[in-house]
Amino acid sequence: GAVVSQHPSRVICKSGTSVKIECRSLDFQATTMFWYRQFPKQSLMLMATSNEGSKATYEQGVEKDKFLINHASLTLSTLTVTSAHPEDSSFYICSASPGGRGSPLHFGNGTRLTVT
Amino acid sequence: RKEVEQDPGPFNVPEGATVAFNCTYSNSASQSFFWYRQDCRKEPKLLMSVYSSGNEDGRFTAQLNRASQYISLLIRDSKLSDSATYLCVVRTRGSQGNLIFGKGTKLSVKP
Repeated sequence: GAVVSQHPSRVICKSGTSVKIECRSLDFQATTMFWYRQFPKQSLMLMATSNEGSKATYEQGVEKDKFLINHASLTLSTLTVTSAHPEDSSFYICSASPGGRGSPLHFGNGTRLTVT
Repeated sequence: RKEVEQDPGPFNVPEGATVAFNCTYSNSASQSFFWYRQDCRKEPKLLMSVYSSGNEDGRFTAQLNRASQYISLLIRDSKLSDSATYLCVVRTRGSQGNLIFGKGTKLSVKP
């Protein structure tokens, strides 16, 4: 079945530093990947849509200069949280779909970011 | 009105019980429907797709009513391992379109 791998699974960093999260589709190509964020006891919220070979599309209220997305190949998208603050501490999850009508999204295992 | 609405629960049921979750969606142009399961501090995992004709997978049965914009999930003979949050999910744009998530319904199955 479709597999999406995300790395790292957990990261603790100091305020002001940057953190890069990788998302890979292991057995399919994905022209589009999605990045979500989930705060405790809240639903998954879409942050941005990562498009291979072009700029990402950001949801309203998400700062594109703070959350840098690079989708350089058909199997890899990266999210970099720049100048992290404690309020950026959250669970970040990527997802992608093998495509085809009605196909579901498959999720990476998520990255739990703690900014101290 | 929220795009996807679910009863947040929690539903506390004994082992062996039958439990039903409901979900409504606001966009009549929605194309694909899913139930995902999310365990605490883990990523969502696909439980099943939902079709207009209804579909069943073992103890799980999903139904879709497009006219009422309503989706349901029925779990029979609940197991302790069914304890999780169940997410109603709707896709509105094609096969690469984003998924819209409900906030989830928490289920706790007790011995």
